[in-house]
Amino acid sequence: QQQVKQSPQSLIVQKGGISIINCAYENTAFDYFPWYQQFPGKGPALLIAIRPDVSEKKEGRFTISFNKSAKQFSLHIMDSQPGDSATYFCAASSDSNYQLIWGAGTKLIIKP
Amino acid sequence: NAGVTQTPKFQVLKTGQSMTLQCAQDMNHEYMSWYRQDPGMGLRLIHYSVGAGITDQGEVPNGYNVSRSTTEDFPLRLLSAAPSQTSVYFCASSYSGDMGSSYEQYFGPGTRLTVT
Repeated sequence: QQQVKQSPQSLIVQKGGISIINCAYENTAFDYFPWYQQFPGKGPALLIAIRPDVSEKKEGRFTISFNKSAKQFSLHIMDSQPGDSATYFCAASSDSNYQLIWGAGTKLIIKP
Repeated sequence: NAGVTQTPKFQVLKTGQSMTLQCAQDMNHEYMSWYRQDPGMGLRLIHYSVGAGITDQGEVPNGYNVSRSTTEDFPLRLLSAAPSQTSVYFCASSYSGDMGSSYEQYFGPGTRLTVT
């Protein structure tokens, strides 16, 4: 019930292509879904987040798509650049508790 | 504004030794937390605090203690180190309101701990 399943584990995309990372959850009480980006040797940093009252949120080249009925959400990176190479984590939480539940992470490599 | 700072950056311990990982933040955040990051397992919450004097257990609390005497500091103590505690440890802080952990978390740079 508490898990967030993330796929793929690793992803290689050509420069200029679209990177897509998927997450699925089971707990219907979750109502906050952030994506964090982590570069080697650094802590994660918030990239973009969504709440279930909208199906999509876009910030620059980064878009979250959210499917409440399927209990899935995904991160799309348009026009992927070598500087986007990092590990991406999805997560989920509910307003009623203080525990952010994390996916296992996706290592993204953008080939120039 | 230093954000979230952690010391040390690297540490090697022998089995059975104890140590304290330090974490401090200067953003006046009420919520602070400790995670461990292991390959293929994402981040797992060890302990968290919603304010000075208030702490609670996360997903993997065994073998770790915390205390929160000030808003700024949230140290993590390893009582008797074991090889299974070899990991990268991250401290994070965030605003704490009526939406639980649903606020942006700011992470420190991490402590890489090896237990031999």
